Amino acid sequence: QVQLVESGGGVVQPGGSLRLSCAASGFTFSSYGMHWVRQAPGKGLEWVAFIRYDGSNKYYADSVKGRFTISRDNSKNTLYLQMNSLRAEDTAVYYCAKGPATDYWGQGTLVTVSS
Amino acid sequence: DIQMTQSPSSLSASVGDRVTITCQASQDISNYLNWYQQKPGKAPKLLIYDASNLETGVPSRFSGSGSGTDFTFTISSLQPEDIATYYCQQYDNLPRNTFGQGTKLEIK
Repeated sequence: QVQLVESGGGVVQPGGSLRLSCAASGFTFSSYGMHWVRQAPGKGLEWVAFIRYDGSNKYYADSVKGRFTISRDNSKNTLYLQMNSLRAEDTAVYYCAKGPATDYWGQGTLVTVSS
Repeated sequence: DIQMTQSPSSLSASVGDRVTITCQASQDISNYLNWYQQKPGKAPKLLIYDASNLETGVPSRFSGSGSGTDFTFTISSLQPEDIATYYCQQYDNLPRNTFGQGTKLEIK
């Protein structure tokens, strides 16, 4: 069965950096694009970034463009999100989701940006 | 970007009631619409894809309809375990899969 497991969340100061990982199993990871979606505490779902199956194209929400970088290692079945210049408003649970239609989601990892 | 307007934002109903949530897209998205259920502390769970197709294992009391810009999600007979927040999501404008604002469903 499809399984997505995020890791790497934690508490970071404003301006700091964090790298999230998403380990995938149960499907041919290298054949599917992958998303990151986030949810601020008590708020709705916000699409963050997408990477094509081969890493050839990457897309970002305006709110993270220039600060976040999505990447993948198909040999390790792992998706990444490098987050730099973090702001308080980036505080959220970050989910990875199988693309293109986000049919499977991980359990999420909490990122807290606070001094 | 395509905007998704979901209503109501919250809803209180009794066990056994028929519950309906609507979602309107800012432009034609054909049938590229998902409905999700999210319980507190959990990831969203896909219930309906392509506007009206029930995901495997999802109870038949859940259904979806619509195409173009107007969509409806229905629970035919509300059960206590259906208490959750429900989201619509378009995937016509891939990969920017925008979500509705969510509908919080409570038991009356």
